[in-house]
Amino acid sequence: DAKTTQPPSMDCAEGRAANLPCNHSTISGNEYVYWYRQIHSQGPQYIIHGLKNNETNEMASLIITEDRKSSTLILPHATLRDTAVYYCIAHYPGSSNTGKLIFGQGTTLQVKP
Amino acid sequence: KAGVTQTPRYLIKTRGQQVTLSCSPISGHRSVSWYQQTPGQGLQFLFEYFSETQRNKGNFPGRFSGRQFSNSRSEMNVSTLELGDSALYLCASSADMPPYEQYFGPGTRLTVT
Repeated sequence: DAKTTQPPSMDCAEGRAANLPCNHSTISGNEYVYWYRQIHSQGPQYIIHGLKNNETNEMASLIITEDRKSSTLILPHATLRDTAVYYCIAHYPGSSNTGKLIFGQGTTLQVKP
Repeated sequence: KAGVTQTPRYLIKTRGQQVTLSCSPISGHRSVSWYQQTPGQGLQFLFEYFSETQRNKGNFPGRFSGRQFSNSRSEMNVSTLELGDSALYLCASSADMPPYEQYFGPGTRLTVT
């Protein structure tokens, strides 16, 4: 899996959009970009994934650059409950590699009132 | 559907003892992965089981082992516990189809004294 680079920490005002960047410059063509988050002392939670196109679900939006070397997770209206560590993972879920995720240090997002 | 469950949630053991942790995946999920999370090393992949077979293994000593049963429930065992084994142990399950996102349990907090 390609290495990802994320800023260690970010702040966001409550109600504003939180934009979390991720660099994955060595990503290969068959690797997806997955985002998970971990609220303190809980298990990580899947947020969203994408391959080439931008994606949106009820939790967030994922913007992937055309060259796929970076992406941005967008939480449109951050709340205090969105305070968590956010992990960006580039992963090829091939049949022999499906369940093996390599987590980096992630970005600690602090949403402030 | 019920989520991933892990038992016990908290455990205190003494050095040299062994411990068994249990994980019940989401119904229908055949892949179960285990992770260790410590403040120093972050989230690290231990191993993955699929249809009762170990499909992937991380870089951990042989004291760490696991198994999976025919109902996809999984156990992991740590023998000859060391102080450094104190950690949050997380289990995740995933479906057999893309995008293979993982759903994590709440974890078992193991303290070795």
